[in-house]
Amino acid sequence: SAVISQKPSRDICQRGTSLTIQCQVDSQVTMMFWYRQQPGQSLTLIATANQGSEATYESGFVIDKFPISRPNLTFSTLTVSNMSPEDSSIYLCSVEPSGGAYYGYTFGSGTRLTVV
Amino acid sequence: LAKTTQPISMDSYEGQEVNITCSHNNIATNDYITWYQQFPSQGPRFIIQGYKTKVTNEVASLFIPADRKSSTLSLPRVSLSDTAVYYCLVGDRTSGSARQLTFGSGTQLTVLP
Repeated sequence: SAVISQKPSRDICQRGTSLTIQCQVDSQVTMMFWYRQQPGQSLTLIATANQGSEATYESGFVIDKFPISRPNLTFSTLTVSNMSPEDSSIYLCSVEPSGGAYYGYTFGSGTRLTVV
Repeated sequence: LAKTTQPISMDSYEGQEVNITCSHNNIATNDYITWYQQFPSQGPRFIIQGYKTKVTNEVASLFIPADRKSSTLSLPRVSLSDTAVYYCLVGDRTSGSARQLTFGSGTQLTVLP
């Protein structure tokens, strides 16, 4: 299964600023997914990022707030814009399984964001 | 979207077998049942997947009755390191199906010494 490197692992940011989270995969993947996990809660899908096309956002998430880039098949970024304390969460990227035996979706270790 | 229901929490002791049941009454014909494990400060990790009957791998077994409206994750002889949140998901395996996957509340398993 793929290996994902996600940066930064954590950050504390001032309200009104933006943070860009990077996700690097060790193999080429068609789709990458971004999730949010609020404190003590489950995971919620933010958007799906395909290389060469606009990301597809889930209900409740908009591009102006969470712009996503997908410049190639191994990399994606998620920006959390104009942050408020309500954006304090863990943000995770994920890729779907590809080929061979099924090992499920692979997730990065997450970025723990605290907005003060 | 298939919705899942799991117990919020469970406690067990080291060395015991733990069974976590998940209900998914509106599972579709093409849906598989997948379980993930999540430790604090980590992303979820795939444990096991099945479609029907029983599946076993090196870490767990998954029991699925004929009607597939529920499933049971079985962890043999748990240790303290198995303390984690366990999520049950249902969905098909087509590309992009993540949009259909809904992480429920999960089950917090606490293994006690």
